Amino acid sequence: QKEVEQDPGPLSVPEGAIVSLNCTYSNSAFQYFMWYRQYSRKGPELLMYTYSSGNKEDGRFTAQVDKSSKYISLFIRDSQPSDSATYLCAMSHMDSSYKLIFGSGTRLLVRP
Amino acid sequence: DAGVTQSPTHLIKTRGQQVTLRCSPKSGHDTVSWYQQALGQGPQFIFQYYEEEERQRGNFPDRFSGHQFPNYSSELNVNALLLGDSALYLCASSLAFHEVYEQYFGPGTRLTVT
Repeated sequence: QKEVEQDPGPLSVPEGAIVSLNCTYSNSAFQYFMWYRQYSRKGPELLMYTYSSGNKEDGRFTAQVDKSSKYISLFIRDSQPSDSATYLCAMSHMDSSYKLIFGSGTRLLVRP
Repeated sequence: DAGVTQSPTHLIKTRGQQVTLRCSPKSGHDTVSWYQQALGQGPQFIFQYYEEEERQRGNFPDRFSGHQFPNYSSELNVNALLLGDSALYLCASSLAFHEVYEQYFGPGTRLTVT
């Protein structure tokens, strides 16, 4: 079983929709939770990070962490065609904080 | 301010050959991590270099080795290439002892093994 599970999609939504992306994990030692966006043929770009539990909002993006359920989410409001990309969740242990453990990524397509 | 750069962009090698990939970190960064991203998968941590030494290593065989130079740039070497080594190889740079999310990724080198 992988430490981090993520639905690969693809997820296709109309422009303006609210998008919900999710990951589950098995290791309760994870403390840092990140979301990356990766465009085709590019490296991942950090969108948001959260330490431990709770919510964090940045513009159209909201990240949620529920440690009791080992479940994290990224919500995108008013989605735009430019949001079409692969979204990767990533996590890190406190005792191994140098390395990121990624989910497999969810492909998102926002239709004009 | 240049970000993380990697070379070459693309590479095609034959099974059994050896390959060297290169990474220049973001200006001011002193730590380099390497990740392997197979098609349709998330990146997997290979190892991290700081002060010219391997600081941590993921679950990769000894065929994968690295080096960091005094100017903080880094190389990833893969020996005895297998078809399964075909992937996008990503380099990420950061400052030592900063938060794990403060890593900046390069565009990657796409390696194809035939």
